[in-house]
Amino acid sequence: DAMVIQNPRYQVTQFGKPVTLSCSQTLNHNVMYWYQQKSSQAPKLLFHYYDKDFNNEADTPDNFQSRRPNTSFCFLDIRSPGLGDAAMYLCATSRVWTGRRSNEQFFGPGTRLTVL
Amino acid sequence: AQRVTQPEKLLSVFKGAPVELKCNYSYSGSPELFWYVQYSRQRLQLLLRHISRESIKGFTADLNKGETSFHLKKPFAQEEDSAMYYCALNFGNEKLTFGTGTRLTIIP
Repeated sequence: DAMVIQNPRYQVTQFGKPVTLSCSQTLNHNVMYWYQQKSSQAPKLLFHYYDKDFNNEADTPDNFQSRRPNTSFCFLDIRSPGLGDAAMYLCATSRVWTGRRSNEQFFGPGTRLTVL
Repeated sequence: AQRVTQPEKLLSVFKGAPVELKCNYSYSGSPELFWYVQYSRQRLQLLLRHISRESIKGFTADLNKGETSFHLKKPFAQEEDSAMYYCALNFGNEKLTFGTGTRLTIIP
């Protein structure tokens, strides 16, 4: 089945130790998103790639970076995790084109990040 | 400001009773609205979108531009409807803004 895969499902890191979360998709969608979701809160968009173009949200901390080496993979790098970065991180994909800029987003299962 | 509001964080309904999950938005343009659902231990997934005008799992939602609402309704609740429900709005680009969600619990 075509899907969105996130690895690892659970990640534990130490305060200040860089961590990378990965997302891959077999849907061949051109847009990939990273969301942060804290307990009992809405998913909050951090950034997204529209094809190769990176789009950062204005309030996303500089501590968060992303890479998309090809259509299928996207990475979330947290350079110096703080205790406040503990959350569920969701990856999503969508097929978007000029004239149809909104469409269903397909979500991965998420990676739960714990910062010690 | 563009905003999506779900006024109820928690909603409990008896099995067989009608369900209504409220969603209000603020946006001056033509919105595209979605309902996403997250069942226990499952990923977030699309339930329905207003442009489809379809009924999924017995749920419907009508866009009311006058009241700027997109409430989710089901006439007879089932136990398997217990989940977290998010209203989401597209503001004319490829991004979604989510409401804070409503946790629906169906009481047997």
